[in-house]
Amino acid sequence: KAGVTQTPRYLIKTRGQQVTLSCSPISGHRSVSWYQQTPGQGLQFLFEYFSETQRNKGNFPGRFSGRQFSNSRSEMNVSTLELGDSALYLCASSYSPPDEKLFFGSGTQLSVL
Amino acid sequence: AQSVTQLGSHVSVSEGALVLLRCNYSSSVPPYLFWYVQYPNQGLQLLLKYTTGATLVKGINGFEAEFKKSETSFHLTKPSAHMSDAAEYFCAVSPNSGNTPLVFGKGTRLSVIA
Repeated sequence: KAGVTQTPRYLIKTRGQQVTLSCSPISGHRSVSWYQQTPGQGLQFLFEYFSETQRNKGNFPGRFSGRQFSNSRSEMNVSTLELGDSALYLCASSYSPPDEKLFFGSGTQLSVL
Repeated sequence: AQSVTQLGSHVSVSEGALVLLRCNYSSSVPPYLFWYVQYPNQGLQLLLKYTTGATLVKGINGFEAEFKKSETSFHLTKPSAHMSDAAEYFCAVSPNSGNTPLVFGKGTRLSVIA
């Protein structure tokens, strides 16, 4: 059974650009969560989707958005990139909430120059 | 609101020695508690979780953790460290209603010295 797949693995962008990250959950999983990981702040929750609906949202500015498609795949978008957005973005899937047994992808490493 | 404090951002042990990684939590309701491990260039992997019942929880790779309500702690232990245990470990908490996402601690990097 394939794990959680995140693409791309690495991204380099410049300030002001926008970026879209993709996440394919484990087959059969309908819930997808996104986390931002930085050395200083650790793991911070961005948002959670279930059946194409945003179920929870973390304390991030509106520049951060996401969506989930009918096949449970999810994307997150960051507009008007800032240097502080440089981070590892992790996607995690589970069968359905509430289910805290999350399966994580390897992440997308975003560098903003 | 829930929060997690992991004492020590970096812990170093000798191979074969006891591993003890500390985690204290704050929760206004009975919590679910988790330990995740992250190897270099990988995502997080669940080591073990406590929901209800037995307070001593056994996980993968020989790790275990004990839920101590009176101390609001959920420390992770392993009797004998192996080189392959070198990784970053994260403690996480969630209310047992499951309706809010996991809150993670800032992580503890474990180094194992030969």
